[in-house]
Amino acid sequence: DAGVTQSPTHLIKTRGQQVTLRCSPISGHKSVSWYQQVLGQGPQFIFQYYEKEERGRGNFPDRFSARQFPNYSSELNVNALLLGDSALYLCASSQRVAAGGNQPQHFGDGTRLSIL
Amino acid sequence: GNSVTQMEGPVTLSEEAFLTINCTYTATGYPSLFWYVQYPGEGLQLLLKATKADDKGSNKGFEATYRKETTSFHLEKGSVQVSDSAVYFCALIKDSNYQLIWGAGTKLIIKP
Repeated sequence: DAGVTQSPTHLIKTRGQQVTLRCSPISGHKSVSWYQQVLGQGPQFIFQYYEKEERGRGNFPDRFSARQFPNYSSELNVNALLLGDSALYLCASSQRVAAGGNQPQHFGDGTRLSIL
Repeated sequence: GNSVTQMEGPVTLSEEAFLTINCTYTATGYPSLFWYVQYPGEGLQLLLKATKADDKGSNKGFEATYRKETTSFHLEKGSVQVSDSAVYFCALIKDSNYQLIWGAGTKLIIKP
């Protein structure tokens, strides 16, 4: 079975632009989470979606938004890009909402976003 | 709030050496604890987990025991290989929440 797939793998944008990142979860997984990983740091939680509803939001500005589609794939949108948005954006899926340790999250390889 | 603290890296060892990477956490209640590994150029992979106190997670020769009395989840391996070179992340999740809380990661370098 295919794992979590993310596209594109790399992206270069300039300040002020907008970007859309895409994620396809493992087949049968209904929950998708997004994380931002700045170089040399651990991931920071951005959003979690389950059954097309937002179930959790991290401490990120309103420039960040996301949605989940009926096929459980997801998009992360970032508006008005800043230099500080340069990071690896990771998508993770799990079968159900990741409540507790019994729903481990499976990660994609990420999208490397560079802001010039 | 909830947080995870890992020992700073890089940790450099010779092949077949014993490995310990320290991880301590701050959380109310009873979080579940995880170790994830990130190999160069790859995404994060779940290495092992423990969901309650005194549980021992193990995988690929790595072990970690959930110690509630010391709020720790140290990663150990008896004999490391060059292929273990990677960045290791300790993380926790609360039953009442949906997000993983991560440590900063520890880079492990194994020399032949």
